[in-house]
Amino acid sequence: QKEVEQDPGPLSVPEGAIVSLNCTYSNSAFQYFMWYRQYSRKGPELLMYTYSSGNKEDGRFTAQVDKSSKYISLFIRDSQPSDSATYLCAMTLYNTDKLIFGTGTRLQVFP
Amino acid sequence: GAVVSQHPSRVICKSGTSVKIECRSLDFQATTMFWYRQFPKQSLMLMATSNEGSKATYEQGVEKDKFLINHASLTLSTLTVTSAHPEDSSFYICSVGDRRNYGYTFGSGTRLTVV
Repeated sequence: QKEVEQDPGPLSVPEGAIVSLNCTYSNSAFQYFMWYRQYSRKGPELLMYTYSSGNKEDGRFTAQVDKSSKYISLFIRDSQPSDSATYLCAMTLYNTDKLIFGTGTRLQVFP
Repeated sequence: GAVVSQHPSRVICKSGTSVKIECRSLDFQATTMFWYRQFPKQSLMLMATSNEGSKATYEQGVEKDKFLINHASLTLSTLTVTSAHPEDSSFYICSVGDRRNYGYTFGSGTRLTVV
């Protein structure tokens, strides 16, 4: 079993839809959770960063963490074609800087 | 977060030659930088942690003699792929930052093709 599981997609939605991206993890020692967006042939770009259970909102993006269920989500409201990219969840263990990534979910938002 | 510059963005080299990739932290003094490798449609795999002024820490299965890392200053880490072979063709990405400073910033990546 992988430490971090993420549905690879692809996920195809119409413009304006609400998108839900999810990751599950097996190691309860993970403390910090991140979501990255990666466009083709580019480095990942940090979208959201959280370290506690609950919701964190930033514009159209909401990150949700449920440590009891070992489950994190990223919601995108009013999705735009420019949101089309691969979304990667990532997390770190307590007291380390080593990032463990999910496999990424490819999202396509069509006009 | 930090601003990271990675160079070159793309390189093609012949088998047996060596290639150097640079990663610069432009506004953050990075005692630690990270090097990742990404195969097509796959996630990022950490190769090594680059430590300023000391030896890099390599992940299990990564050949130290093939992937030489030098972190001579707080703003520059280099990855040299030595005696490159076609199977080394991949997307290499560096990152800077730490979890205490709200995550990590990645470079734009280097597409290496060995022919």
